[in-house]
Amino acid sequence: GQNIDQPTEMTATEGAIVQINCTYQTSGFNGLFWYQQHAGEAPTFLSYNVLDGLEEKGRFSSFLSRSKGYSYLLLKELQMKDSASYLCAPSGNTPLVFGKGTRLSVIA
Amino acid sequence: EAQVTQNPRYLITVTGKKLTVTCSQNMNHEYMSWYRQDPGLGLRQIYYSMNVEVTDKGDVPEGYKVSRKEKRNFPLILESPSPNQTSLYFCASSLGGFSSYEQYFGPGTRLTVT
Repeated sequence: GQNIDQPTEMTATEGAIVQINCTYQTSGFNGLFWYQQHAGEAPTFLSYNVLDGLEEKGRFSSFLSRSKGYSYLLLKELQMKDSASYLCAPSGNTPLVFGKGTRLSVIA
Repeated sequence: EAQVTQNPRYLITVTGKKLTVTCSQNMNHEYMSWYRQDPGLGLRQIYYSMNVEVTDKGDVPEGYKVSRKEKRNFPLILESPSPNQTSLYFCASSLGGFSSYEQYFGPGTRLTVT
């Protein structure tokens, strides 16, 4: 089976940096997805990490440590439009399972 | 425009009245999937399909049926809906297996069963 843990809610200030953590246990681990989901909308793909380390993509970066079963999403220069839920999804032998998501609120 | 479409977007129905939610993608993707999303439970996979005529159960398949007769379409069928199937439903497609390829999600169908 799979076990995915990420904080339920976070609040951060506009312009700041926030790190959203995800720990997981999954059999036959392949890689880890991050998706963004605005309230009432569909999830959209942010990143997919296969190798250990940090991958940067504009204001968003994603980190993976395979040995520790740990990933984080780093959002820099926060904007109000970054207020959304962020879903962590480790992939493995079983059908893809999503974490329950971290609801991020960006305040002025 | 590359997209996944779902219909209807909103549906209110009564217990036991069969319904179908359609899903279509125009990206020639092999894989398609249905999810339901409930507060506190997150996104859970109902069924998925790896190709035409190939489908398999996800985490929460009870009470649902699917079919994949054409590559672009993957309808979700609720033969006898019950109130516990009230949820937000998403269809998704991907070029390859879900473990390695990003999924493209439809806009969602909000279903209420009374």
